Amino acid sequence: QVQLVQSGAEVKKPGASVKVSCKASGYIFISYDINWVRQATGQGLEWMGWMNPTNDNSGYAQKFQGRITLTSNPSISTAYMELSSLTSDDTAVYFCARLGVGGVIAPFDDWGQGTQVTVS
Amino acid sequence: SYVLTQPPSVSVAPGKTATIACGGNNIGGKIVHWYQQKPGQAPVLVIFYDSDRPSGIPERFSGSKSGNTATLTISGVEAGDEADYYCQVWDSSSDHRVFGGGTKLTVL
Repeated sequence: QVQLVQSGAEVKKPGASVKVSCKASGYIFISYDINWVRQATGQGLEWMGWMNPTNDNSGYAQKFQGRITLTSNPSISTAYMELSSLTSDDTAVYFCARLGVGGVIAPFDDWGQGTQVTVS
Repeated sequence: SYVLTQPPSVSVAPGKTATIACGGNNIGGKIVHWYQQKPGQAPVLVIFYDSDRPSGIPERFSGSKSGNTATLTISGVEAGDEADYYCQVWDSSSDHRVFGGGTKLTVL
């Protein structure tokens, strides 16, 4: 079965960067885009960006442009999200999610368990 | 940027039908997906491509669209359906994926 397993919780100082990993199993990693979504405590879901593990093409939400980098290492079926210049507003749970079949209009059909990032 | 609007909360008695609306400009021209999220858990896809159900999702969950509103309907609501529900689309103008603000479903 498809599984996305994320790295553990992080505590960072303001101004620092964080890198969260998302290890995929149960499917051919390079065949599906990985997206990243975050959720501040008590708030809704916020889409951050996508990346294609085949060619490392990526796209980012305008809000995060210049601060976010999405990459992958297909040899270990792992995607990464790096966010720089952290502030307290970046304190949230970060999820990776697999984009399903159907191109850009496809749903997120599997999700990682989430990684708590605290900026303090 | 494209905005999806959901009611913050919906309450329903067990066994009744819950309807959760998701409004957006020309949403009829977009594909809508719905996710269920329980406290402390990752979201789960419950309706995709407007009205399809993933395997394992009960038939009680259904989706529809009319005019500028997409709707998630849960019939015969059970206590275990209590969760936050989010609609989501891809906006071609911005090439961004967009979530609604979420609706907290309370089972009375």
